[in-house]
Amino acid sequence: DTEVTQTPKHLVMGMTNKKSLKCEQHMGHRAMYWYKQKAKKPPELMFVYSYEKLSINESVPSRFSPECPNSSLLNLHLHALQPEDSALYLCASSQVTGAALNTEAFFGQGTRLTVV
Amino acid sequence: GEDVEQSLFLSVREGDSSVINCTYTDSSSTYLYWYKQEPGAGLQLLTYIFSNMDMKQDQRLTVLLNKKDKHLSLRIADTQTGDSAIYFCAESRGYGQNFVFGPGTRLSVLP
Repeated sequence: DTEVTQTPKHLVMGMTNKKSLKCEQHMGHRAMYWYKQKAKKPPELMFVYSYEKLSINESVPSRFSPECPNSSLLNLHLHALQPEDSALYLCASSQVTGAALNTEAFFGQGTRLTVV
Repeated sequence: GEDVEQSLFLSVREGDSSVINCTYTDSSSTYLYWYKQEPGAGLQLLTYIFSNMDMKQDQRLTVLLNKKDKHLSLRIADTQTGDSAIYFCAESRGYGQNFVFGPGTRLSVLP
């Protein structure tokens, strides 16, 4: 099973709503990621969790709040978003290896978020 | 993606070979990747190459790495219409697995 599952696939939310994006993998990967992808642009890294601890936060606004409740799940809590936050949000996972070593990341299909 | 560069568009005829090129800047990158993204979908890992290799072949895909010039290429043999997609080159940098993507090359396969 090399699948990363993201739910929901589509989400429309108002600027005052609170919603959550979910990501799940069962490959035993201990690194999980959130990326944001605007139309016709490459994915941009938002957060990295390593062994369920936040290891990288790429200066993401606090209206995005990640959570890693266990080694298989990654959530992204959304609150008071702006229309410019509309994008495809991609989750990924990979193994964690030693310093300076990396391995491939597997991506989910993404959640297409529209903020109205 | 500013440190990883790719040409933005490529058109080929069905049955021809496609070659997508990428240049990167971080010499400490240990793995280099090719991802495929179809419209509205997530990223699908196609292949990757470790930085101490110069070539990797996997069925119709051939990856060439010139570490001296920091140049990576993906060759797709016998390109099919189903290969039409955006292809992202990516590098990983050091501990923390920060994947950096190029801008993507949009491959169009003409019948």
